[in-house]
Amino acid sequence: GAVVSQHPSRVICKSGTSVKIECRSLDFQATTMFWYRQFPKKSLMLMATSNEGSKATYEQGVEKDKFLINHASLTLSTLTVTSAHPEDSSFYICSAWGQGNQPQHFGDGTRLSIL
Amino acid sequence: QKEVEQNSGPLSVPEGAIASLNCTYSDRGSQSFFWYRQYSGKSPELIMFIYSNGDKEDGRFTAQLNKASQYVSLLIRDSQPSDSATYLCAVFLNSGYALNFGKGTSLLVTP
Repeated sequence: GAVVSQHPSRVICKSGTSVKIECRSLDFQATTMFWYRQFPKKSLMLMATSNEGSKATYEQGVEKDKFLINHASLTLSTLTVTSAHPEDSSFYICSAWGQGNQPQHFGDGTRLSIL
Repeated sequence: QKEVEQNSGPLSVPEGAIASLNCTYSDRGSQSFFWYRQYSGKSPELIMFIYSNGDKEDGRFTAQLNKASQYVSLLIRDSQPSDSATYLCAVFLNSGYALNFGKGTSLLVTP
């Protein structure tokens, strides 16, 4: 069964709306959660790394004021896309990682469409 | 940015054949390598991971790693139409265990 739950799976909203995406690790404590974005026919690109209780680390070119990340507990991280615009339409995927060389487990992704 | 390279394909194989997917990486210090399968519109699903040189087998899947050549591959035996998907090779980035993904190879298994 799924070890990482991501919600919602799909969002369609108007330009200017803020959208919150939740990522939960279900049966392990996630030291770190990652947020990726994938445009059509492209690979996953890391947006930010989120550690519980500390500020997220953003990749170059990702606006931290636009993509707000909160990692309040070892099982929950949220990504808020603030004042979303059509160019923010994409497939957003979170992953959770516990420790060591263990692989990341991915959520089912959130398809965001901004009209 | 360290590179992970994959042939985008599509790679077409007949049902029952062996599919061979290849990946090269540029960071010689990389230690951990992952293969994910991604169906259209879905998130990646872990197939295998490998850390040591040589082969690692899991069911119909075999991962092969050659650190000297900076090359990792995935073999799928007895390919099934349900194996048709994009296969992503990924390597840990240097910091924080984030993944650096290749662009993926599209595999089509024809009945």
